Amino acid sequence: TQLLEQSPQFLSIQEGENLTVYCNSSSVFSSLQWYRQEPGEGPVLLVTVVTGGEVKKLKRLTFQFGDARKDSSLHITAAQPGDTGLYLCAGDTTDSWGKLQFGAGTQVVVTP
Amino acid sequence: DVKVTQSSRYLVKRTGEKVFLECVQDMDHENMFWYRQDPGLGLRLIYFSYDVKMKEKGDIPEGYSVSREKKERFSLILESASTNQTSMYLCASSTYRGTDTGELFFGEGSRLTVL
Repeated sequence: TQLLEQSPQFLSIQEGENLTVYCNSSSVFSSLQWYRQEPGEGPVLLVTVVTGGEVKKLKRLTFQFGDARKDSSLHITAAQPGDTGLYLCAGDTTDSWGKLQFGAGTQVVVTP
Repeated sequence: DVKVTQSSRYLVKRTGEKVFLECVQDMDHENMFWYRQDPGLGLRLIYFSYDVKMKEKGDIPEGYSVSREKKERFSLILESASTNQTSMYLCASSTYRGTDTGELFFGEGSRLTVL
C-alpha cells in the first residue's frame, strides 16, 4: 500500500506550459521532500518543506506543504525541456525514523 | 563533489545465484540505505543502517541481507536470487539529524536482471 499518492502518474506538456503535481496522504508528516530523477541517475533533492502551509520557491518551481501536513504540491511555471524527469515526493515521520515513505512518482515530459 | 558510488550499473544473474551489491559514500555520513525502484511502486526501503555494524529492516527485507563493516560501505546481499528480485537498486546516504531522516544522497543505481 502506497502511503503517499502522487497524481498524475504521467504528464506530457509543451514547453512554456504550466503544470502541477500532487502528493497526498492520510498520514501527518514532520517534513516532506521533493526529488527529481533523470534517466540513468539517482534522485536528487529539490526541496524540503517542514511547516504546515509553507511555500518554497526554487526558480520556476513552487512547492507547497498543506496546512495539516498531509499533502503537498509542486507547480512548475513555463516548463522547459530541462524539467523533464520523474518527480518523487517523500514523507518523513518522527516515529518511523529512517523510513521515508516515497510516492510512486510523476513522470513529466516537456517537449520543445 | 559528494558522491555515492554503486559498484555495478548493470548485472545479469541466474536464479539461485548469490548477488552482492556494493555501495560506498565519501561524505562521512552516518546513515545508509538500500531501496529498490519498480515502475508504479516508487522507491521501497529494503534495509538501512545508522552506524557501523547496525542494521534495521525496511518495508521489504525478505530475501535480502546487508552488511556494514565500515562507515563508508554498505552492501546488499541476495543469498539466492529470484526472478521477482529483478529491479533497479538504489543506495543512499544521509547525515545524522536527530528526528529527521534528512536529505538522501543517491547513487546512480544498479539494474539487476535475474533470469
